[in-house]
Amino acid sequence: GENVEQHPSTLSVQEGDSAVIKCTYSDSASNYFPWYKQELGKRPQLIIDIRSNVGEKKDQRIAVTLNKTAKHFSLHITETQPEDSAVYFCAVPTPRYIFGTGTRLKVLA
Amino acid sequence: DGGITQSPKYLFRKEGQNVTLSCEQNLNHDAMYWYRQDPGQGLRLIYYSQIVNDFQKGDIAEGYSVSREKKESFPLTVTSAQKNPTAFYLCASSATGRYGYTFGSGTRLTVV
Repeated sequence: GENVEQHPSTLSVQEGDSAVIKCTYSDSASNYFPWYKQELGKRPQLIIDIRSNVGEKKDQRIAVTLNKTAKHFSLHITETQPEDSAVYFCAVPTPRYIFGTGTRLKVLA
Repeated sequence: DGGITQSPKYLFRKEGQNVTLSCEQNLNHDAMYWYRQDPGQGLRLIYYSQIVNDFQKGDIAEGYSVSREKKESFPLTVTSAQKNPTAFYLCASSATGRYGYTFGSGTRLTVV
């Protein structure tokens, strides 16, 4: 079945620095790659996604890059702010939604 | 809650008791899902349904049951067979052909 690995499990950055989280998947048929943000005690929320026909997508300070050959996709957050502190999950929906194990991001003021 | 409502927000279960968690969506989404999240952990799939009157087991279905009699509703019953049910339960939905999930605000279940 599909296997999703997410790294790192925790990440601490200084405010204003960049953060990168990576997910590796196994099913080459996967064609949609979302990232979710979950603040403490709250529900996950979709923050950005990418389809397999593009290599990069950007939305203000966040971006997702996809390398289909290597089967990995990454979340990039630039100019990090304290409100970016949360747990981030990648997911691969093919053939069934599988979430990564999560990355706890701490932005230090 | 963005069109998907879970209730109650907090639920307490006594030993040997069945409890039902409600999930209702008005997004006209075909697919609905139930996940369990333990403290500091990721999301584990319990059950999912892609169409009315049909549902499939996820990775941790033992001790849980669901029904999908209406498109809008996907209730989850935590039975007495689930020996460690204390967790945060999240319901989600998605539209056919679109893969982004919309999550409910969750139900926090505690065994007392």
